[in-house]
Amino acid sequence: DTGVSQNPRHKITKRGQNVTFRCDPISEHNRLYWYRQTLGQGPEFLTYFQNEAQLEKSRLLSDRFSAERPKGSFSTLEIQRTEQGDSAMYLCASSPYGGAKNIQYFGAGTRLSVL
Amino acid sequence: QQQVKQSPQSLIVQKGGISIINCAYENTAFDYFPWYQQFPGKGPALLIAIRPDVSEKKEGRFTISFNKSAKQFSLHIMDSQPGDSATYFCAASDGGATNKLIFGTGTLLAVQP
Repeated sequence: DTGVSQNPRHKITKRGQNVTFRCDPISEHNRLYWYRQTLGQGPEFLTYFQNEAQLEKSRLLSDRFSAERPKGSFSTLEIQRTEQGDSAMYLCASSPYGGAKNIQYFGAGTRLSVL
Repeated sequence: QQQVKQSPQSLIVQKGGISIINCAYENTAFDYFPWYQQFPGKGPALLIAIRPDVSEKKEGRFTISFNKSAKQFSLHIMDSQPGDSATYFCAASDGGATNKLIFGTGTLLAVQP
């Protein structure tokens, strides 16, 4: 069990470019979450997967954002036509389904800077 | 109603002192209240959590006090150490289908040696 892994750790991009982030959850964790954290704020929920099914999306997730979790394993978060307001830390968390279902384990995040 | 309000925004405590961070919520459907610790450049890590059927939970130097009627809960760090210097977030979950967490705005704790 190596924890939740996120790649890349840092991403610098120019406005208008597309970016994709990857999250590898703890193995056998059915639940996967994406959060966004801006400087000086707590993480804000973006979207949730149970296995491969995306069951909830926050209104923060505009049409430029898309997330997938093929085969219920790793997940990707893509942002199209990035804007400066997208600059933030994108955090992934995973959780087991069952007794300890509330416990979410976070990765170290991907810090996105849009120039 | 989905907000979790956290105070103070920052806190300076002397080594060996008690650090106290407070949170308040409105949504009575919340049924799980974790505290997360975050160091710079790292993701949040679960510190301790409580459910509303108990008024206090203690793990080592960390204690959560929970007041269901007031809809408030707090984190107490006893014998604070410089290594405790970090940002602390309270959170809440409504135990719905997703168990998503609603986070407070964070408290930056500095423990002076």
